[in-house]
Amino acid sequence: ETGVTQTPRHLVMGMTNKKSLKCEQHLGHNAMYWYKQSAKKPLELMFVYSLEERVENNSVPSRFSPECPNSSHLFLHLHTLQPEDSALYLCASSQGWNVEQFFGPGTRLTVL
Amino acid sequence: QKEVEQDPGPLSVPEGAIVSLNCTYSNSAFQYFMWYRQYSRKGPELLMYTYSSGNKEDGRFTAQVDKSSKYISLFIRDSQPSDSATYLCAMNREYGNKLVFGAGTILRVKS
Repeated sequence: ETGVTQTPRHLVMGMTNKKSLKCEQHLGHNAMYWYKQSAKKPLELMFVYSLEERVENNSVPSRFSPECPNSSHLFLHLHTLQPEDSALYLCASSQGWNVEQFFGPGTRLTVL
Repeated sequence: QKEVEQDPGPLSVPEGAIVSLNCTYSNSAFQYFMWYRQYSRKGPELLMYTYSSGNKEDGRFTAQVDKSSKYISLFIRDSQPSDSATYLCAMNREYGNKLVFGAGTILRVKS
């Protein structure tokens, strides 16, 4: 595997379900990000982790819970989501700040 | 007012045309400017990266930044059907980890 990978690629869940999104970067980077991309809206930064510590939490509802167990892996735990949470969730990584962020292919989430 | 404004399009052009994509922004603290390309069902990939004002060229792509007008542009010469994608502008402050994105412009290049 190369670059940034995300699983699953597609996820359909009910509002009462609990699920997790997984991201893995194979680039040796020290920062990882979660973004939300909704139709016709800008990418919204959700969380930033630097050296496995959360450095940014962009006023995201508590039904989204991130976890970064090491510098290569990032999870987004989901519970009691709402239909408006349906979107493409993108993971990215970078080596430091103000440099290129490499994105994964995203997880297309549908909340019924 | 949004921090970054970008016309969503779609912009349809014939193959071989010169394409101009633009973003305006309101925050004068932005110093780093990027253009990402996103194909359908893929994540964004970085095309161009510039710091402060000026031009940068890479093959058929030219990025321009005019900080006095808070306006950035991406030009694509000799456009190809494979250039059909959504183009996202993004920018960042001098010190920070928070990229601010435009909503993206859908480009369609017809053969």
